[in-house]
Amino acid sequence: DTEVTQTPKHLVMGMTNKKSLKCEQHMGHRAMYWYKQKAKKPPELMFVYSYEKLSINESVPSRFSPECPNSSLLNLHLHALQPEDSALYLCASSQDFGLAGAFVSSYNEQFFGPGTRLTVL
Amino acid sequence: ILNVEQSPQSLHVQEGDSTNFTCSFPSSNFYALHWYRWETAKSPEALFVMTLNGDEKKKGRISATLNTKEGYSYLYIKGSQPEDSATYLCARPNAGNNRKLIWGLGTSLAVNP
Repeated sequence: DTEVTQTPKHLVMGMTNKKSLKCEQHMGHRAMYWYKQKAKKPPELMFVYSYEKLSINESVPSRFSPECPNSSLLNLHLHALQPEDSALYLCASSQDFGLAGAFVSSYNEQFFGPGTRLTVL
Repeated sequence: ILNVEQSPQSLHVQEGDSTNFTCSFPSSNFYALHWYRWETAKSPEALFVMTLNGDEKKKGRISATLNTKEGYSYLYIKGSQPEDSATYLCARPNAGNNRKLIWGLGTSLAVNP
């Protein structure tokens, strides 16, 4: 199974709502990523988890809260979002070699999910 | 070059044409160079991860070369087909934390039947 799945495909939420995006992979990858993508631009990294621990937080506002409950699952909890947060949110995973292997991890391709199209009203 | 740069920004070719585009990157602290294809309404898909100077990789009609000393990679598509229409992105791992990719803005390829 070389697939990364994401749910939901589309999400419309108000600025006072709380919602969650979900991502799942069963490739045994130990690095998982959240990206935000706006039209005509490359993916913008938000968070990276390595072995279920947060490795990178790209100074993302606290209204986005990531969670990695186990090696196959990655969640992004959303609360009090703004209309400018409307975007395509992509999840990705890759092989990873932990703290000792961050250098080698750079050789590994990332597998992307289909994304969640988020609209904040 | 401080970041990853891609050229051209967009390209229109006829079916059957061969084409190529460029990814330029800082030659210092080189670890790897990734190429991805992103078709509209689909997920980005990895094409190649290149690590060695002089590397040449091939997948079907698509191939890529790497020059780490001068900091560039070429992606070639031989005999373009309409299904090759996509945005082609290259990325290099960040020197500070290799799990972060520094992305180019992509080359948008449209192949007309």
